[in-house]
Amino acid sequence: TQLLEQSPQFLSIQEGENLTVYCNSSSVFSSLQWYRQEPGEGPVLLVTVVTGGEVKKLKRLTFQFGDARKDSSLHITAAQPGDTGLYLCAGALLGSARQLTFGSGTQLTVLP
Amino acid sequence: SAVISQKPSRDICQRGTSLTIQCQVDSQVTMMFWYRQQPGQSLTLIATANQGSEATYESGFVIDKFPISRPNLTFSTLTVSNMSPEDSSIYLCAHSRPGRPDTQYFGPGTRLTVL
Repeated sequence: TQLLEQSPQFLSIQEGENLTVYCNSSSVFSSLQWYRQEPGEGPVLLVTVVTGGEVKKLKRLTFQFGDARKDSSLHITAAQPGDTGLYLCAGALLGSARQLTFGSGTQLTVLP
Repeated sequence: SAVISQKPSRDICQRGTSLTIQCQVDSQVTMMFWYRQQPGQSLTLIATANQGSEATYESGFVIDKFPISRPNLTFSTLTVSNMSPEDSSIYLCAHSRPGRPDTQYFGPGTRLTVL
């Protein structure tokens, strides 16, 4: 079983729509990261959240870390075709900050 | 963050052969990591490579199959030995910021196909 479960696994939406991707676990994380990966490329770091309840905004992307530091969400407003990619959450388990555990991934396709 | 490059970007290999993947960082970094990823899926950590010490392997990965070198603070190699079709995957190297091993930056990956 995956330590970090992402949902949905696949998401196909029209340009201009909003969407939310979820990353859930029963474990507590000292920090959590979100990455986006395009075909043929490595994952690119979007954000790191470290405080329970923290909300960070990056243009049309809003990231939230759960109060208990067990879950996170990524919300995209007015999605664009350039947002298409594989979104991965990754967390550093409390007491094991040297290692990242990656989520199962969400493949997002934004249609023009 | 430091820029990472990998070579080769892709390769097609025969069963039973070995391939060495090179990872170069444009500045000195303490920790480097090697991951495996099936296309469109999650990443699995193979090992952590620190300069001056033996690599630390994760469960399911052994040094005989995936020997790693870390000769200096800007370079590392991963060898996939005695390959089988099950080794077909994307192999990624990454580094972390000083003092922040949980924040990692990735190279472009090496897509390996074993026939």
